[in-house]
Amino acid sequence: EVQLVESGGGLVQPGGSLRLSCAASGFTVSSNYMSWVRQAPGKGLEWVSVIYSGGSTYYADSVKGRFTISRDNSKNTLYLQMNSLRAEDTAVYYCARARTTVVVYFDYWGQGTLVTVSS
Amino acid sequence: DIQMTQSPSSLSASVGDRVTITCRASQSISSYLNWYQQKPGKAPKLLIYAASSLQSGVPSRFSGSGSGTDFTLTISSLQPEDFATYYCQQSYSTITFGQGTRLEIK
Repeated sequence: EVQLVESGGGLVQPGGSLRLSCAASGFTVSSNYMSWVRQAPGKGLEWVSVIYSGGSTYYADSVKGRFTISRDNSKNTLYLQMNSLRAEDTAVYYCARARTTVVVYFDYWGQGTLVTVSS
Repeated sequence: DIQMTQSPSSLSASVGDRVTITCRASQSISSYLNWYQQKPGKAPKLLIYAASSLQSGVPSRFSGSGSGTDFTLTISSLQPEDFATYYCQQSYSTITFGQGTRLEIK
């Protein structure tokens, strides 16, 4: 059974850092495209970042230069290192597996972890 | 970035109704369009991918159509568990989502 379990969220001050983790089971992270998607309180979904199976990484303009996506193949875990955090980064962060037949779609999602950026 | 606009933003309907939600892209995206359902406090759930392909395990009352810039999600006969928020998502270029359509009980 495919499962994604996020952790690492919490309260952080503006300018601070946080690392989110997403532990996967039932499939191999390194063989798939993996993404982070966030949702600000009461708002819609916003794509944040993707790491391809080959290791290439891409970011939304809103987080480029501040966030870094990575994975640990030995732990089958995805990460999101978030630096220089801003109030507008406050959101529930979901990790998701991306399937890439012709289109790219997210077929499995974690339960989400809440990041609150506030002084 | 490609802008995705859903209409309506909210919708009231009754159990058994046929409901259609529209998603319009700011430029042609071929069939690179997916639909998700999200219930309060839960992660999104994939319903439809590539505009019209039903995800495994999703009831057949859900269907999708369209190509280019205009897409629709149709629920043929609303069930109580279908009241949720629905999002479209394009992957033709940098991934973007629509703003969501909240489906409420009338």
